[in-house]
Amino acid sequence: AQKITQTQPGMFVQEKEAVTLDCTYDTSDQSYGLFWYKQPSSGEMIFLIYQGSYDEQNATEGRYSLNFQKARKSANLVISASQLGDSAMYFCAMREARGGGFKTIFGAGTRLFVKA
Amino acid sequence: NAGVMQNPRHLVRRRGQEARLRCSPMKGHSHVYWYRQLPEEGLKFMVYLQKENIIDESGMPKERFSAEFPKEGPSILRIQQVVRGDSAAYFCASSSTGASTYEQYFGPGTRLTVT
Repeated sequence: AQKITQTQPGMFVQEKEAVTLDCTYDTSDQSYGLFWYKQPSSGEMIFLIYQGSYDEQNATEGRYSLNFQKARKSANLVISASQLGDSAMYFCAMREARGGGFKTIFGAGTRLFVKA
Repeated sequence: NAGVMQNPRHLVRRRGQEARLRCSPMKGHSHVYWYRQLPEEGLKFMVYLQKENIIDESGMPKERFSAEFPKEGPSILRIQQVVRGDSAAYFCASSSTGASTYEQYFGPGTRLTVT
């Protein structure tokens, strides 16, 4: 069965420092996508970054980068130069093709606290 | 270009009542997905629909829950005879057709409270 594991329920980071949020996944599919979403206290889901299973280079989006290690089935999110506004829940997700569309499985999330 | 719209944003129902949650996908999107988020948990897939068709309902509870995406109008997630355990945030997402796309856009969610 497809599965996403986030082993860190909560993380603290000092403002301006980098932080890595862990994510491992399990799938038997060859083609899949990996995502990270941010959910602030207001509740909306904000897309951060995407990595396709066939992408050879790690994805980057501004201060976000995805450390993709396919053989280890890990897709860790690295946030550089943390800001107070980064305090939120972060969800790792995996998408697999189903019937012309996609089915997305989410991890349990990691709550990030950025300290001033 | 409006994003995914969900209404109502907050819904309060007494036990035994019906809850109807609506989702209007982004313009041009024909794929709709519903997810449920219990407090302090991640999102759980419920159902995936295309216009007039249910593609995957493997995450839907067997009873009281139904979903539709008619030819015209929004997608509806319907919960009959709600119980306290149905209290959660329900998110809708949409995507366009085509295997090359990966983006799934989320709506703001509907927070259901059952009293």
